[in-house]
Amino acid sequence: GAVVSQHPSWVICKSGTSVKIECRSLDFQATTMFWYRQFPKQSLMLMATSNEGSKATYEQGVEKDKFLINHASLTLSTLTVTSAHPEDSSFYICSAREDSLINEQFFGPGTRLTVL
Amino acid sequence: QKEVEQNSGPLSVPEGAIASLNCTYSDRGSQSFFWYRQYSGKSPELIMFIYSNGDKEDGRFTAQLNKASQYVSLLIRDSQPSDSATYLCAVNDYKLSFGAGTTVTVRA
Repeated sequence: GAVVSQHPSWVICKSGTSVKIECRSLDFQATTMFWYRQFPKQSLMLMATSNEGSKATYEQGVEKDKFLINHASLTLSTLTVTSAHPEDSSFYICSAREDSLINEQFFGPGTRLTVL
Repeated sequence: QKEVEQNSGPLSVPEGAIASLNCTYSDRGSQSFFWYRQYSGKSPELIMFIYSNGDKEDGRFTAQLNKASQYVSLLIRDSQPSDSATYLCAVNDYKLSFGAGTTVTVRA
């Protein structure tokens, strides 16, 4: 149990375009999901906390108008990188917290974004 | 985010040896601590978590927590080449704060 999927697993796009990444909890409900970004040789940095039915909470320094988060259901959160630029190229990872297990997060496999 | 410090490594150990990984955290009020393993190009996978002072063992892994010293460690016994990865320490206070990770290489 406790499987989280992400789609797509990798994406290449042109500078200036927008990219949407989906995060799904496959076998549990997740009121709360998290979005992380990881640059090469660096650790995971939390970008935002996604809450079902309400606005996401962004970490300091993360542009909310650039990284749009929508958590429309208990099993799906989406991250849209708007007007992507090469510096947005990174490994984006989501995690989901099962509502009955508040202390554990289950990670998706990640999405590799390359902006040309 | 909370401050979480790990010795950056890399740490190289021979096969069969014990690998010792250390982590300190800044917030004395932190309650739960997680160790993740991350292979290159993959997302983190949970090894174990610990809430209480003392040792917690799970197979070849032992986590140790000392809240007074704000210190948590991970021991990997009988290290195998498949243990070669980056190990991330994380403090969980509703959201996870990760350390920079320690890269471990197990030499066959």
